[in-house]
Amino acid sequence: TQLLEQSPQFLSIQEGENLTVYCNSSSVFSSLQWYRQEPGEGPVLLVTVVTGGEVKKLKRLTFQFGDARKDSSLHITAAQTGDTGLYLCVVGNAGNMLTFGGGTRLMVKP
Amino acid sequence: GAVVSQHPSWVICKSGTSVKIECRSLDFQATTMFWYRQFPKQSLMLMATSNEGSKATYEQGVEKDKFLINHASLTLSTLTVTSAHPEDSSFYICSGVGQGISLSNQPQHFGDGTRLSIL
Repeated sequence: TQLLEQSPQFLSIQEGENLTVYCNSSSVFSSLQWYRQEPGEGPVLLVTVVTGGEVKKLKRLTFQFGDARKDSSLHITAAQTGDTGLYLCVVGNAGNMLTFGGGTRLMVKP
Repeated sequence: GAVVSQHPSWVICKSGTSVKIECRSLDFQATTMFWYRQFPKQSLMLMATSNEGSKATYEQGVEKDKFLINHASLTLSTLTVTSAHPEDSSFYICSGVGQGISLSNQPQHFGDGTRLSIL
């Protein structure tokens, strides 16, 4: 069974600060997706990464896929209150199995 | 982007009632739909995977007779919580995935969830 750990589990910061969230797997995966979920809503896809070492940017969000395809990070620059939410990483393997991380709950205070 | 509509958004009912939740893909054909359960401040827990026209595959520990899933068309899947009890109270979310070779490379399009409260 593939284990997927996200850290930190909870993060509370002031608006304008930078932060990094990590997603680490016990085994190699074929793809990784990051989602953000706001309270009372379903998760929304932010990015999909499939190539080891890949870096993708989405405005103030930078996503990195580890060279060994076992980890990923999400970095937010100058966080805003609108970034508040639950961030989920989801990995897929060759067997078409999807595994969810435990989530990182981010609160950005004004 | 692709839209998944989930209804109802909130249900409050008495213990023993059966509750049906609908998940519709509005602008794409969802060959695979997932049903999740989410407890407060926790991540999503996969309950079952359903492919159109076939029986759902349930995760370990999920009672298939308790949580009935029907995926009769490429745009509709339903989850029925039979004889619901207070411990079934939770946030239930569905997602749909379109056609493609690899499931793991495709985005999941989530509904907005259904909050189920059993009294």
